[in-house]
Amino acid sequence: RKEVEQDPGPFNVPEGATVAFNCTYSNSASQSFFWYRQDCRKEPKLLMSVYSSGNEDGRFTAQLNRASQYISLLIRDSKLSDSATYLCVVGFSGGYNKLIFGAGTRLAVHP
Amino acid sequence: GAVVSQHPSRVICKSGTSVKIECRSLDFQATTMFWYRQFPKQSLMLMATSNEGSKATYEQGVEKDKFLINHASLTLSTLTVTSAHPEDSSFYICSAEGTGTGNTIYFGEGSWLTVV
Repeated sequence: RKEVEQDPGPFNVPEGATVAFNCTYSNSASQSFFWYRQDCRKEPKLLMSVYSSGNEDGRFTAQLNRASQYISLLIRDSKLSDSATYLCVVGFSGGYNKLIFGAGTRLAVHP
Repeated sequence: GAVVSQHPSRVICKSGTSVKIECRSLDFQATTMFWYRQFPKQSLMLMATSNEGSKATYEQGVEKDKFLINHASLTLSTLTVTSAHPEDSSFYICSAEGTGTGNTIYFGEGSWLTVV
């Protein structure tokens, strides 16, 4: 079983749509949680950290359910520029931060 | 903000040769650097973790004699792919954390390696 599992997509949505991505992780010792965005052939960039209380950053809302080992990302009012691959990432701290990446969910927003 | 620079961004090498990829932290001291590999449509796979001045810790299944990692200074880590083969062709990317970055990890721009 993969440590971090995501639906690979692609999710094809029109501009303005709301889209939700889900992710599950297998290691209950995971300590930190993130969503990264990766554009084609580029390095991943941090979109937002994810907390149990849920957090929102503009059109993006992330949720963490530790009991279910489940992470979600909601994107409202999708823009063309949101088209990218969204990576679910879990981290472990033990002197340094080790990140484990999911394979990513591809989003394509069309006019 | 902190910047991690990776070089070269693209490299083509012949099968059997070695190629070195550099990862530099430009405005902070990188106490720990991570090296990842990403094949098309797959996740970033952690290859190894290196702490400045000590030997790298390799993930299971990664050949340490093939992927040589050096982290001799607080601003530079290098990954050398030795005796490269076409199956080593991939996107290699480094990340770093260190003094002044809090818990934030910064990624380099990545290096595309093609072995012909």
